[in-house]
Amino acid sequence: EVQLVESGGGLVQPGGSLRLSCAASGFTFGTYDMHWVRQPTGKGLEWVSAIDSAGDTYYAGSVKGRFAISRDDAKNSLFLQMNGLRPGDTAIYYCHISVYALDVWGQGTTVTVSS
Amino acid sequence: SSELTQDPAVSVALGQTVTITCQGNSLRSYYPTWYQQKPGQAPVLVIYGKNNRPSGIPDRFSGSSSENTASLTITGAQAEDEADYYCNCRDSSRSHWVFGGGTKLTVL
Repeated sequence: EVQLVESGGGLVQPGGSLRLSCAASGFTFGTYDMHWVRQPTGKGLEWVSAIDSAGDTYYAGSVKGRFAISRDDAKNSLFLQMNGLRPGDTAIYYCHISVYALDVWGQGTTVTVSS
Repeated sequence: SSELTQDPAVSVALGQTVTITCQGNSLRSYYPTWYQQKPGQAPVLVIYGKNNRPSGIPDRFSGSSSENTASLTITGAQAEDEADYYCNCRDSSRSHWVFGGGTKLTVL
């Protein structure tokens, strides 16, 4: 069974940092592009960042320069280092794989940025 | 602002047909994926590619695209189809991906 499990969310003050992790299982992790998607409470989905199998990275304009995505294929893990956090970054963060019919979401981890 | 535009809300009578649209220049280059999301749950893929349904998605769901507009059609809407629907695709610049703002479907 393909599974994605996020961790690392929490409450952080504006300007602070958090590192999210996503543990993947049930598929050949290193061969697929991986994404982070977030959703503020009561609002729509927002694509945040992606990393392809070659390690090339992509970012939404709203997080570029503050967030860094990475992966450890040996440990089947995806990461999102979030620096300079703002109240507008408050959301549920999902780890996501989308390759044709292989489309799986984690349960999400909640990030709250507040003083 | 979203680069994929969706109507915020649509309603349909039980058993009737409804179409949810998504507009954006990226759709000239890529087929979108369509997601259904119910309250408190992660999104679920309903359509990918030209018009493909994952295993377990009822055949009343179908997709189509033309020029800069993509459509998700539910033929014979059921009460359990009431949800938020999002389109998603890669930007034509290939530098990022984008979701539409979402359409809240109400089944009357």
